[in-house]
Amino acid sequence: KAGVTQTPRYLIKTRGQQVTLSCSPISGHRSVSWYQQTPGQGLQFLFEYFSETQRNKGNFPGRFSGRQFSNSRSEMNVSTLELGDSALYLCASSREQGLNEKLFFGSGTQLSVL
Amino acid sequence: LAKTTQPISMDSYEGQEVNITCSHNNIATNDYITWYQQFPSQGPRFIIQGYKTKVTNEVASLFIPADRKSSTLSLPRVSLSDTAVYYCLVVGAAGNKLTFGGGTRVLVKP
Repeated sequence: KAGVTQTPRYLIKTRGQQVTLSCSPISGHRSVSWYQQTPGQGLQFLFEYFSETQRNKGNFPGRFSGRQFSNSRSEMNVSTLELGDSALYLCASSREQGLNEKLFFGSGTQLSVL
Repeated sequence: LAKTTQPISMDSYEGQEVNITCSHNNIATNDYITWYQQFPSQGPRFIIQGYKTKVTNEVASLFIPADRKSSTLSLPRVSLSDTAVYYCLVVGAAGNKLTFGGGTRVLVKP
């Protein structure tokens, strides 16, 4: 069974641009959640999607948004990029909704903002 | 949600037992405690989850005292491949929020 797939693996953008990251969950998993990982702030929860609806949200500004498609694949968008948005962005999938489910993580997208 | 605190790093040797304690003083009545393992260039991997007392699976044990203000992840007989960062999480029972600890970098030496 294929794991969680995130694309692209690496991304370089400049300040002010926007970026879209993609996540394909494990087959049969219906929930996708997103996380930001930085050396300074560690791992932080962004949001969770289930059945194409955002169910839970962390404390991030509105520049961070996402969506989920009918096949459970998810995208995350960051608009008006700032230097501080440089981070590893991880997505995780689980069978059912809820962050207390067993989460399966992808290897992440490393975003560098110049 | 409860803030978690764990040691920054720990060293151990092959074959030894490693115990990592996580503090979560403000844990709510129905919160769960979960541990994940992360290797470089990979996403975290689920290890174990518990609510109270002791939970054991094929790779680890989780000990949670009655007051639930802390928890201890126990890795029996570690090998070099157990060198990783271990994260303690408190997860709301409703599954609507979670907080990661800062992670404990475990180095297993030969």
